Amino acid sequence: SAVISQKPSRDICQRGTSLTIQCQVDSQVTMMFWYRQQPGQSLTLIATANQGSEATYESGFVIDKFPISRPNLTFSTLTVSNMSPEDSSIYLCSACRGHEQYFGPGTRLTVT
Amino acid sequence: AQKITQTQPGMFVQEKEAVTLDCTYDTSDQSYGLFWYKQPSSGEMIFLIYQGSYDEQNATEGRYSLNFQKARKSANLVISASQLGDSAMYFCAMRGTVNSGNTPLVFGKGTRLSVIA
Repeated sequence: SAVISQKPSRDICQRGTSLTIQCQVDSQVTMMFWYRQQPGQSLTLIATANQGSEATYESGFVIDKFPISRPNLTFSTLTVSNMSPEDSSIYLCSACRGHEQYFGPGTRLTVT
Repeated sequence: AQKITQTQPGMFVQEKEAVTLDCTYDTSDQSYGLFWYKQPSSGEMIFLIYQGSYDEQNATEGRYSLNFQKARKSANLVISASQLGDSAMYFCAMRGTVNSGNTPLVFGKGTRLSVIA
């Protein structure tokens, strides 16, 4: 299995501020994925991050709000910008090894 | 486009009994992969089992088995000998292209399983 770590594991932030979430994979992967899970909901894909190119965002998510970096094949960051209470969610990064897809432990964000 | 449907918002099962969690899917892809994940209250997503669309046999992993019926487009998860620690949310997911790590998963809405002592 792949080992994926995320930092921070949780945070409480004030509205209008930004938070950057880090994701580290224990081996090189082509694509990394960022998901959001709002309270009581399923996982929704935010964007796909490929090393060396701009992330591809899903409908409803924009780069200005969720900028993503992918500086190398084992690391990615997601920034949640200008936060509002509606951004309170769990944010998960994910990567594949073979046909299996693994997730980091998630970042539980609360915006007050 | 791919779609996953989980029609059971919540399920109860007696400890040591077996339980089936339903999942149906829709896709125009000929090659795809089906996944089940467990999410306990801690929030982590735990990979349980995988079935490729061309796999002839149903996947099994310990107490988990996937009842794959391709013609019906269903991929139900069967948990045998339920344990209290099985209480969690369970998500069915799929990805087009069996072995590609370059396409993301699409998730169903999940089923909350509660195991009763």
